[in-house]
Amino acid sequence: NAGVTQTPKFRVLKTGQSMTLLCAQDMNHEYMYWYRQDPGMGLRLIHYSVGEGTTAKGEVPDGYNVSRLKKQNFLLGLESAAPSQTSVYFCASSYLGTGGNFFGPGTRLTVT
Amino acid sequence: GENVEQHPSTLSVQEGDSAVIKCTYSDSASNYFPWYKQELGKRPQLIIDIRSNVGEKKDQRIAVTLNKTAKHFSLHITETQPEDSAVYFCAATLNNAGNMLTFGGGTRLMVKP
Repeated sequence: NAGVTQTPKFRVLKTGQSMTLLCAQDMNHEYMYWYRQDPGMGLRLIHYSVGEGTTAKGEVPDGYNVSRLKKQNFLLGLESAAPSQTSVYFCASSYLGTGGNFFGPGTRLTVT
Repeated sequence: GENVEQHPSTLSVQEGDSAVIKCTYSDSASNYFPWYKQELGKRPQLIIDIRSNVGEKKDQRIAVTLNKTAKHFSLHITETQPEDSAVYFCAATLNNAGNMLTFGGGTRLMVKP
Protein backbone atom coordinates (compact mmCIF):
# COMPACT_ATOMS: atom_id res chain seq x y z
CA ASN A 1 0.00 0.00 0.00
CA ALA A 2 1.37 3.39 -1.00
CA GLY A 3 -1.18 5.17 1.23
CA VAL A 4 -1.64 8.79 0.17
CA THR A 5 0.68 10.12 -2.51
CA GLN A 6 1.06 13.61 -3.96
CA THR A 7 2.62 14.97 -7.11
CA PRO A 8 4.64 17.05 -7.58
CA LYS A 9 6.76 17.33 -4.44
CA PHE A 10 8.04 20.81 -5.27
CA ARG A 11 6.97 23.50 -7.70
CA VAL A 12 7.87 27.10 -8.42
CA LEU A 13 5.33 29.23 -10.26
CA LYS A 14 5.27 32.78 -11.47
CA THR A 15 2.36 35.03 -10.53
CA GLY A 16 -0.57 34.36 -12.82
CA GLN A 17 0.47 30.86 -13.87
CA SER A 18 -1.78 27.89 -13.29
CA MET A 19 -1.13 24.38 -12.06
CA THR A 20 -2.80 21.25 -10.76
CA LEU A 21 -1.73 19.22 -7.75
CA LEU A 22 -2.62 15.54 -7.80
CA CYS A 23 -3.49 13.45 -4.78
CA ALA A 24 -4.02 9.70 -4.95
CA GLN A 25 -4.96 7.17 -2.26
CA ASP A 26 -5.15 3.41 -2.43
CA MET A 27 -6.98 2.81 0.85
CA ASN A 28 -10.48 3.02 -0.63
CA HIS A 29 -11.26 6.01 1.57
CA GLU A 30 -14.47 7.91 0.94
CA TYR A 31 -13.30 11.28 2.22
CA MET A 32 -10.45 13.35 0.83
CA TYR A 33 -9.13 16.79 1.78
CA TRP A 34 -6.74 19.50 0.74
CA TYR A 35 -5.00 21.56 3.44
CA ARG A 36 -2.43 24.30 3.32
CA GLN A 37 0.20 24.83 5.99
CA ASP A 38 1.98 28.14 6.39
CA PRO A 39 5.07 28.69 8.57
CA GLY A 40 4.27 28.66 12.26
CA MET A 41 0.64 27.90 11.63
CA GLY A 42 -1.60 24.92 11.77
CA LEU A 43 -3.30 23.29 8.85
CA ARG A 44 -6.22 25.04 7.20
CA LEU A 45 -8.76 23.19 5.11
CA ILE A 46 -9.09 24.41 1.53
CA HIS A 47 -11.65 22.01 0.00
CA TYR A 48 -12.85 18.53 0.75
CA SER A 49 -14.82 15.71 -0.82
CA VAL A 50 -17.12 13.17 0.79
CA GLY A 51 -17.27 10.95 -2.27
CA GLU A 52 -16.65 10.59 -5.97
CA GLY A 53 -18.15 13.48 -7.89
CA THR A 54 -18.74 15.67 -4.82
CA THR A 55 -16.70 18.58 -3.47
CA ALA A 56 -17.24 21.28 -0.87
CA LYS A 57 -15.51 24.41 0.38
CA GLY A 58 -13.42 24.45 3.51
CA GLU A 59 -12.05 27.33 5.54
CA VAL A 60 -9.86 28.98 2.86
CA PRO A 61 -11.25 28.05 -0.61
CA ASP A 62 -10.68 31.30 -2.52
CA GLY A 63 -8.29 31.01 -5.46
CA TYR A 64 -8.53 27.20 -5.60
CA ASN A 65 -10.70 24.69 -7.39
CA VAL A 66 -10.96 20.93 -6.93
CA SER A 67 -12.29 17.88 -8.69
CA ARG A 68 -12.95 14.28 -7.64
CA LEU A 69 -13.71 12.39 -10.83
CA LYS A 70 -12.42 9.10 -9.42
CA LYS A 71 -12.70 7.88 -5.84
CA GLN A 72 -8.96 7.45 -5.48
CA ASN A 73 -7.94 10.87 -6.87
CA PHE A 74 -8.47 14.42 -5.66
CA LEU A 75 -7.10 17.29 -7.73
CA LEU A 76 -6.37 20.81 -6.51
CA GLY A 77 -6.13 23.57 -9.12
CA LEU A 78 -4.74 27.06 -8.97
CA GLU A 79 -6.06 29.04 -11.93
CA SER A 80 -3.97 32.20 -11.44
CA ALA A 81 -1.30 31.76 -8.80
CA ALA A 82 -0.55 34.56 -6.35
CA PRO A 83 2.38 34.98 -3.92
CA SER A 84 -0.10 34.54 -1.04
CA GLN A 85 -0.53 30.93 -2.20
CA THR A 86 3.08 30.11 -1.39
CA SER A 87 2.66 27.29 1.09
CA VAL A 88 2.99 23.59 1.74
CA TYR A 89 -0.07 21.72 0.53
CA PHE A 90 -1.13 18.48 2.14
CA CYS A 91 -3.70 16.07 0.86
CA ALA A 92 -5.40 13.69 3.29
CA SER A 93 -8.01 10.97 3.26
CA SER A 94 -10.15 9.20 5.83
CA TYR A 95 -12.63 6.40 6.27
CA LEU A 96 -16.32 7.13 6.10
CA GLY A 97 -17.60 7.99 9.56
CA THR A 98 -14.23 8.24 11.29
CA GLY A 99 -12.12 11.30 11.80
CA GLY A 100 -8.55 10.12 11.45
CA ASN A 101 -6.97 11.82 8.49
CA PHE A 102 -4.10 10.06 6.73
CA PHE A 103 -1.81 12.64 5.15
CA GLY A 104 0.24 12.64 2.00
CA PRO A 105 3.89 13.79 1.98
CA GLY A 106 3.07 17.35 0.93
CA THR A 107 3.81 19.65 -2.00
CA ARG A 108 5.94 22.72 -1.43
CA LEU A 109 4.73 25.49 -3.73
CA THR A 110 6.48 28.81 -4.19
CA VAL A 111 4.86 31.60 -6.19
CA THR A 112 7.19 34.42 -7.21
CA GLY B 1 -17.74 27.12 13.02
CA GLU B 2 -15.30 25.34 15.25
CA ASN B 3 -12.33 27.17 16.76
CA VAL B 4 -9.45 25.33 18.41
CA GLU B 5 -6.80 27.01 20.54
CA GLN B 6 -3.62 25.24 21.56
CA HIS B 7 -1.10 26.06 24.31
CA PRO B 8 1.77 26.43 24.73
CA SER B 9 3.17 27.27 21.32
CA THR B 10 6.62 26.05 22.38
CA LEU B 11 7.59 23.65 25.14
CA SER B 12 11.07 22.64 26.22
CA VAL B 13 11.58 19.73 28.60
CA GLN B 14 14.46 17.62 29.84
CA GLU B 15 14.67 14.05 28.63
CA GLY B 16 12.68 11.84 30.98
CA ASP B 17 10.33 14.59 32.10
CA SER B 18 6.65 14.76 31.20
CA ALA B 19 5.11 17.14 28.68
CA VAL B 20 1.53 18.38 28.60
CA ILE B 21 -0.15 20.22 25.72
CA LYS B 22 -3.63 21.67 26.11
CA CYS B 23 -6.34 22.52 23.61
CA THR B 24 -9.73 24.15 23.94
CA TYR B 25 -12.54 23.98 21.42
CA SER B 26 -15.62 26.08 20.89
CA ASP B 27 -18.26 23.81 19.36
CA SER B 28 -19.86 21.62 22.00
CA ALA B 29 -21.11 19.31 19.21
CA SER B 30 -17.57 18.24 18.29
CA ASN B 31 -17.09 14.58 19.13
CA TYR B 32 -13.72 13.47 17.78
CA PHE B 33 -10.33 14.82 18.89
CA PRO B 34 -7.15 13.56 17.22
CA TRP B 35 -3.55 14.51 17.91
CA TYR B 36 -0.90 14.67 15.20
CA LYS B 37 2.87 14.69 15.36
CA GLN B 38 4.80 16.43 12.60
CA GLU B 39 8.55 16.10 12.35
CA LEU B 40 10.49 18.70 10.42
CA GLY B 41 9.78 18.46 6.70
CA LYS B 42 7.46 15.48 7.15
CA ARG B 43 3.72 14.89 6.99
CA PRO B 44 1.49 15.06 10.08
CA GLN B 45 0.94 11.61 11.54
CA LEU B 46 -1.90 10.58 13.80
CA ILE B 47 -0.54 9.48 17.18
CA ILE B 48 -3.66 9.17 19.31
CA ASP B 49 -7.30 10.17 19.25
CA ILE B 50 -10.26 10.26 21.57
CA ARG B 51 -13.99 10.31 21.10
CA SER B 52 -16.45 12.23 23.22
CA ASN B 53 -17.85 9.13 24.90
CA VAL B 54 -14.61 8.51 26.83
CA GLY B 55 -12.61 10.68 29.20
CA GLU B 56 -9.13 9.25 28.78
CA LYS B 57 -7.15 7.06 26.43
CA LYS B 58 -3.61 5.75 26.75
CA ASP B 59 -1.10 4.28 24.35
CA GLN B 60 2.22 3.45 25.96
CA ARG B 61 3.87 6.77 26.88
CA ILE B 62 1.15 9.01 25.47
CA ALA B 63 -2.31 9.70 26.80
CA VAL B 64 -5.13 12.06 25.98
CA THR B 65 -7.76 13.37 28.38
CA LEU B 66 -11.03 15.04 27.48
CA ASN B 67 -13.24 17.32 29.57
CA LYS B 68 -16.44 17.84 27.60
CA THR B 69 -17.96 20.19 30.14
CA ALA B 70 -15.02 22.56 29.98
CA LYS B 71 -14.44 21.86 26.28
CA HIS B 72 -10.79 21.11 26.56
CA PHE B 73 -8.53 18.15 25.92
CA SER B 74 -4.89 17.52 26.63
CA LEU B 75 -1.98 15.41 25.38
CA HIS B 76 0.32 13.92 27.98
CA ILE B 77 3.71 12.46 27.08
CA THR B 78 5.61 10.71 29.86
CA GLU B 79 9.30 9.78 30.00
CA THR B 80 10.04 12.05 27.07
CA GLN B 81 12.80 11.08 24.66
CA PRO B 82 14.72 13.19 22.10
CA GLU B 83 12.77 11.53 19.29
CA ASP B 84 9.60 13.03 20.75
CA SER B 85 10.86 16.43 19.56
CA ALA B 86 8.41 17.63 16.90
CA VAL B 87 5.42 19.89 16.37
CA TYR B 88 2.21 18.52 17.82
CA PHE B 89 -1.22 19.53 16.56
CA CYS B 90 -4.57 18.96 18.17
CA ALA B 91 -7.78 18.98 16.16
CA ALA B 92 -11.51 18.71 16.62
CA THR B 93 -14.39 17.67 14.41
CA LEU B 94 -17.98 16.64 14.33
CA ASN B 95 -17.92 13.23 12.68
CA ASN B 96 -21.11 13.87 10.78
CA ALA B 97 -19.63 16.96 9.13
CA GLY B 98 -17.46 15.17 6.58
CA ASN B 99 -14.76 14.63 9.19
CA MET B 100 -13.57 18.19 8.59
CA LEU B 101 -10.81 18.76 11.10
CA THR B 102 -10.18 22.16 12.67
CA PHE B 103 -6.59 22.29 13.86
CA GLY B 104 -4.95 24.13 16.69
CA GLY B 105 -1.92 26.28 15.93
CA GLY B 106 0.61 23.66 17.01
CA THR B 107 3.12 23.18 19.82
CA ARG B 108 6.82 22.82 19.15
CA LEU B 109 8.14 20.32 21.68
CA MET B 110 11.88 20.21 22.27
CA VAL B 111 13.27 17.40 24.42
CA LYS B 112 16.78 18.13 25.62
CA PRO B 113 19.06 15.13 26.14
